[in-house]
Amino acid sequence: ETGVTQTPRHLVMGMTNKKSLKCEQHLGHNAMYWYKQSAKKPLELMFVYSLEERVENNSVPSRFSPECPNSSHLFLHLHTLQPEDSALYLCASSYSGPSTDTQYFGPGTRLTVL
Amino acid sequence: GQQVMQIPQYQHVQEGEDFTTYCNSSTTLSNIQWYKQRPGGHPVFLIQLVKSGEVKKQKRLTFQFGEAKKNSSLHITATQTTDVGTYFCAGNGAQKLVFGQGTRLTINP
Repeated sequence: ETGVTQTPRHLVMGMTNKKSLKCEQHLGHNAMYWYKQSAKKPLELMFVYSLEERVENNSVPSRFSPECPNSSHLFLHLHTLQPEDSALYLCASSYSGPSTDTQYFGPGTRLTVL
Repeated sequence: GQQVMQIPQYQHVQEGEDFTTYCNSSTTLSNIQWYKQRPGGHPVFLIQLVKSGEVKKQKRLTFQFGEAKKNSSLHITATQTTDVGTYFCAGNGAQKLVFGQGTRLTINP
């Protein structure tokens, strides 16, 4: 159903751990996104990459560090997270054309911070 | 900044009843999109509305875009258990795509 894959699907980590989330899109899109979805704030846009350049960073704490090595891959590096960072992290991609921006979401990584 | 408000937050209906969710933007939109997220799943694109006053139908789902391009609605006729999930609107304006909070639909069979 989706041309966007995410790994791992589930992740449990301690507050001192360092981990990375991976996203890959097979749709030929040139924009990729990280969203955080939690019970309190359903869909929060975290980062936007367009043509491999970061174009948006919505006041996300520095313990989240994105990386976009090419238009098909997106990473979210995590370190010294807090329990309130537990959430579903969704990757999405789109073809950023004028008056478009339909988002194609991956299945998400369910993150639990202990 | 651009804000997109969606109501209601929750809706519980009996199977066969109709359902409507409403979306309002603080600014004029170039287009509005609707997504559905099944329980345990991820948002899936349903439709995009572009023109003022546009109405589109997908089987039992009817989508409307307001004349001023600041509001939209999704109406489901005769709900079925497969309609369960959270419905998000997303407004495309000057600040890219902004999602509403979503309306979570539950159905009593």
